[in-house]
Amino acid sequence: EDQVTQSPEALRLQEGESSSLNCSYTVSGLRGLFWYRQDPGKGPEFLFTLYSAGEEKEKERLKATLTKKESFLHITAPKPEDSATYLCSISGAGSYQLTFGKGTKLSVIP
Amino acid sequence: KAGVTQTPRYLIKTRGQQVTLSCSPISGHRSVSWYQQTPGQGLQFLFEYFSETQRNKGNFPGRFSGRQFSNSRSEMNVSTLELGDSALYLCASSASGTGDETQYFGPGTRLLVL
Repeated sequence: EDQVTQSPEALRLQEGESSSLNCSYTVSGLRGLFWYRQDPGKGPEFLFTLYSAGEEKEKERLKATLTKKESFLHITAPKPEDSATYLCSISGAGSYQLTFGKGTKLSVIP
Repeated sequence: KAGVTQTPRYLIKTRGQQVTLSCSPISGHRSVSWYQQTPGQGLQFLFEYFSETQRNKGNFPGRFSGRQFSNSRSEMNVSTLELGDSALYLCASSASGTGDETQYFGPGTRLLVL
């Protein structure tokens, strides 16, 4: 059974204080690992897709990395507008469904 | 390109009623998936359709059903509503089969069962 565990559950950062969110997973054959950002009451907004270990993707202050067991979402010099819940999900071989972690709720304090 | 759209955005129903939710995918996407999101369980997969065929189904009772039309639009139906069905229902579409499995989500339908 595919499983995703995200840590920490919640994270408070001062504006400009860099940090990382962790996503560990177990899957039989990874089709893809996906990061999303979700604001309250809205649908998840796509951030990154990673397909193989060693892959990295960057977008503005965010950088996602992937190993065979986990993924990290690095946030550099965050701003208050980066406050949201960040969701990690995986899709396994032969499956077209996403399995999600519970998310990390990030709060960036001015 | 226009994003994924879902209608209605909000619904209030009473126990025992049934409800139909609609989803229009991104133009050109043939795969549509449905998820239920609750504070306690997070995001859980309901089912996925590709070219009008259900390819995957999650662990939900038979009261939850769906279908996809030839234009890739999809509907999901919940019969005999229970209080526990109150949730945010999310639809996602992808260009599955083209090498890009990324799913793009709509804004969701907020269902409240009284």
